[in-house]
Amino acid sequence: AQSVTQLDSQVPVFEEAPVELRCNYSSSVSVYLFWYVQYPNQGLQLLLKYLSGSTLVKGINGFEAEFNKSQTSFHLRKPSVHISDTAEYFCAVRGTGGFKTIFGAGTRLFVKA
Amino acid sequence: DGGITQSPKYLFRKEGQNVTLSCEQNLNHDAMYWYRQDPGQGLRLIYYSQIVNDFQKGDIAEGYSVSREKKESFPLTVTSAQKNPTAFYLCASSVYDGGPYNEQFFGPGTRLTVL
Repeated sequence: AQSVTQLDSQVPVFEEAPVELRCNYSSSVSVYLFWYVQYPNQGLQLLLKYLSGSTLVKGINGFEAEFNKSQTSFHLRKPSVHISDTAEYFCAVRGTGGFKTIFGAGTRLFVKA
Repeated sequence: DGGITQSPKYLFRKEGQNVTLSCEQNLNHDAMYWYRQDPGQGLRLIYYSQIVNDFQKGDIAEGYSVSREKKESFPLTVTSAQKNPTAFYLCASSVYDGGPYNEQFFGPGTRLTVL
């Protein structure tokens, strides 16, 4: 079985500042890892995913994430945020060969002018 | 355009009534899912279906029912037995295999409010 912990429920940041949203996971098997974004009253949209290979994954809207197997982490980063990045971000994990995706509780990113 | 549609966007229900939320996809995906989202709790799996005419309970199935008569459609009924149904409901779909490409695609959601 897998589990996901998003370490911050809310992250306020000023526009054009860098941001990191933290995600730790636990699993007894190899995993695929995902970050989704949800804008208010909308569904989730895939930002990026780690399947295998390079541990640095680039996604849409200038986001990237780094898979760290030894620390079981998959933190999301952006070097310079915009007001439009204000949204809720979900980290998710699925065991390779498995079917069920486990979602974290979400981190609300609030970008201030 | 391929995608997932959910209707209605907003739904109001009186206590004691059953309501059905619609979910349709034209992505030719075998697997479909229903999640419930409450503030601060992330997404919790209600039911999922890997193939037509088959479905499985998720983590919080009590008070809900589903059907999967067509590949494109996976309606969710919130019954009067669901004690606290006010929430945001999300439908998703994916290809069905254990490989790397079955990330889930989500619909826009239905917000259900019990009056």
